[in-house]
Amino acid sequence: EDKVVQSPLSLVVHEGDTVTLNCSYEVTNFRSLLWYKQEKKAPTFLFMLTSSGIEKKSGRLSSILDKKELFSILNITATQTGDSAVYLCARGGSNYKLTFGKGTLLTVNP
Amino acid sequence: DTEVTQTPKHLVMGMTNKKSLKCEQHMGHRAMYWYKQKAKKPPELMFVYSYEKLSINESVPSRFSPECPNSSLLNLHLHALQPEDSALYLCASSQSWGRTFGHQETQYFGPGTRLLVL
Repeated sequence: EDKVVQSPLSLVVHEGDTVTLNCSYEVTNFRSLLWYKQEKKAPTFLFMLTSSGIEKKSGRLSSILDKKELFSILNITATQTGDSAVYLCARGGSNYKLTFGKGTLLTVNP
Repeated sequence: DTEVTQTPKHLVMGMTNKKSLKCEQHMGHRAMYWYKQKAKKPPELMFVYSYEKLSINESVPSRFSPECPNSSLLNLHLHALQPEDSALYLCASSQSWGRTFGHQETQYFGPGTRLLVL
């Protein structure tokens, strides 16, 4: 089944904490794994991962893919209130469509 | 520049109305998408256009009618909608679709149109 599972579904932390968001996918016919941040409106692209073990980094955010164990993690260090959002993981499959997980709602309190 | 624009931002319509949602990108992308997103749910794919041709229709009811007049524009025509069609409608674009492996398929989303059907 072409399923994407994100955990946790929601998370509340304090500013300065480090968080790890998880994304697992169930099918091996895989092309890419994408992470998006969604605040009020549009999902904003964060990372696209296609190769296992190579960390992508942008400021305080980083992500890595494990194609053997079929999962990816998104790390956010030194969290800020502006990091509060829903983080969506999406899998690009052989049919070229994106399958989204349900998202992780991150709340960063001051 | 990775900007996709959508108009209107908000739309309220009755079940007998006809309206259109518009999406525009000037990144030279040749693939464009319509998604529907209900509250607290992930986006659901509705349509994919590749090189101005409809490539995927995810069994969307005919009261939704997409149109791609040129490579920069994507419309979604709405007619006789139901209250359950109320949602955030997102447009996205990517450099290509179904042709390559990698970043050319990264989809960039517009801000969406929040639709309320009364």
